[in-house]
Amino acid sequence: DTAVSQTPKYLVTQMGNDKSIKCEQNLGHDTMYWYKQDSKKFLKIMFSYNNKELIINETVPNRFSPKSPDKAHLNLHINSLELGDSAVYFCASSQDRGQSQYFGPGTRLLVL
Amino acid sequence: AQSVAQPEDQVNVAEGNPLTVKCTYSVSGNPYLFWYVQYPNRGLQFLLKYITGDNLVKGSYGFEAEFNKSQTSFHLKKPSALVSDSALYFCAVRDNGGSYIPTFGRGTSLIVHP
Repeated sequence: DTAVSQTPKYLVTQMGNDKSIKCEQNLGHDTMYWYKQDSKKFLKIMFSYNNKELIINETVPNRFSPKSPDKAHLNLHINSLELGDSAVYFCASSQDRGQSQYFGPGTRLLVL
Repeated sequence: AQSVAQPEDQVNVAEGNPLTVKCTYSVSGNPYLFWYVQYPNRGLQFLLKYITGDNLVKGSYGFEAEFNKSQTSFHLKKPSALVSDSALYFCAVRDNGGSYIPTFGRGTSLIVHP
């Protein structure tokens, strides 16, 4: 009965590779988010997706791209991985824009 | 523009004592304020929120927070701390008249000693 799930939980890969992280929510929420949490635990919003409206944090490199096949899914695709991409990536959802968020368990990405 | 500050990187408290985790914010309009908790190797969990109404908001696990408009603060409190409350706490704010995406503070590590 997981509300927000992410796969994989751990991801170890080489520099230059392309990888995807999947996110699914079964809460019927309209808004989904992707966050990056660095080694100092600082949370940075990357993307938000609501009713086909995508909001992008301008500081996020265009190697990162979100893809939403339907309202319950918001996947994150990363091209040409770099060492600095190593972090924990969290997916979250909220019933509507700006409401309290439900977070997934996180995907720990390590780029070697 | 919206911003939030958590002035303490770490708060230490003895079990059974009251705890306070501080948060101050800045918005142009009216604030929506949130507290989240993150246990080790877990995602964030929603604790409580203030949108409007009573300044004292009650949330999960016995936590509460007081909205103070004049001091632009939203401090998290609990009357009696438990060792299991040890975790990372995040305050978040969004401007009701601006972007719907909240800004998170840098987090405060709460350590409750037995």
